[in-house]
Order: sequence, then C-alpha cells, then structure tokens
Amino acid sequence: GQQVMQIPQYQHVQEGEDFTTYCNSSTTLSNIQWYKQRPGGHPVFLIQLVKSGEVKKQKRLTFQFGEAKKNSSLHITATQTTDVGTYFCAGLNSGGSNYKLTFGKGTLLTVNP
Amino acid sequence: NAGVTQTPKFRVLKTGQSMTLLCAQDMNHEYMYWYRQDPGMGLRLIHYSVGEGTTAKGEVPDGYNVSRLKKQNFLLGLESAAPSQTSVYFCASTYQGPIRTGKTGELFFGEGSRLTVL
Repeated sequence: GQQVMQIPQYQHVQEGEDFTTYCNSSTTLSNIQWYKQRPGGHPVFLIQLVKSGEVKKQKRLTFQFGEAKKNSSLHITATQTTDVGTYFCAGLNSGGSNYKLTFGKGTLLTVNP
Repeated sequence: NAGVTQTPKFRVLKTGQSMTLLCAQDMNHEYMYWYRQDPGMGLRLIHYSVGEGTTAKGEVPDGYNVSRLKKQNFLLGLESAAPSQTSVYFCASTYQGPIRTGKTGELFFGEGSRLTVL
C-alpha cells in the first residue's frame, strides 16, 4: 500500500532559526496536504498542493511539491515559539478512487526561546 | 457552526468492556473518518465513510466497528476493548471529490477522544 515517509521525526531549534520537514511518498500523489497539531490539540489544515513543482507561501511558511509529485517540504523561516507543534503531511494517491489520505508520522518541532 | 464534535472526550475502560465514540458534524460533509493517534505512529485510519449508509475499512480496522446511519453522525464501536486500543481517537470530515470539484478537500478534525483500556 501507499506509504508516506516524513523526516525528521523530531527537530529542536533556537528561536529565530529555520526549520524544514520533508515528506516522501512511495507512489505518485494527486495532491498533498499539510497539517499542524499543537501539543494537546487536534490537527489543523494548513495548505494543499496539487500541481507538479508548486510552491506556496503563508507568511514565514513555504510549501513545495516536487516535480514528480512524490515529495514535498515545509520550510519555516525564523521560527517563533508559536510554531511549536507536530507538522504532518498527508498524501492522496493518484490511483485511488476514494478520498483517503495517507498521513506521514509527523515532525515534532520544539523551539527554545 | 460547531464543526466536528466528538463525545466523550475522555474514557477509561476495563479490558473486555464495550463502548461507542460518537462523531457529529454540522457541515453537511459526505466523507467522514476515524483515526487513531499513538506516539511516534502518526495518524492511522481505522474506518471511513463516503456517505450515509456506507462504511469501509482503513489501515487498522481490527477490533473496531462503525456505522453511518445519518449523514451527520459517524459512530466508532469497540465491542471488547483491549489495552492495545489505548489511544487518542480523532474523527474528521470533508467534502466529496475535492480534486474534481476544485474544492480544497481539507479534513476538519474533532478535538479528539482519549481512551484508556486497563
């Protein structure tokens, strides 16, 4: 079945440093979504990427979708303590007939003030 | 709108007991899902539904049953709870056919239900 690998599993940074998490799929994806889960909270949708090579920005967050639509990344510039949480990617298999996302295991980001 | 509401938020069970988790959404979404989240394992799909009266198995369906008798509700049942089912359970919902309709297709999650089986 489809697998979505996400690295690193954990990342600890000093406030102001940059952060990147990477997502790789074993199959070609129709789209990829990113979610953020604050400690003790529930996942909240951040963004969806659909097109090959797509790049989207949300303030300090930059999301990329690979040319082959099998990998993606989330980059945070100049981290703040409010960025703390677990970031998940979730991919939709291009060969699938139902809307069933496969989640990566997430990257837990901690930020030292 | 309340979004996605899960009840109960916390529950402690003894091995062998049964219980039902209720998920309710008021966004008229067709698709609903039950995930479990365990440390280091991410979100794993238990069962899902693509519409009222339909259900399908996800990655880890064993030991769980589901029902979608009404469009707005998706129930997750544990017939005979086991310690391995200790977890945080999340319900989520979304629109139908996100790519084809051009809608985002984002998942809206409930706040979670923390279940402990002793």
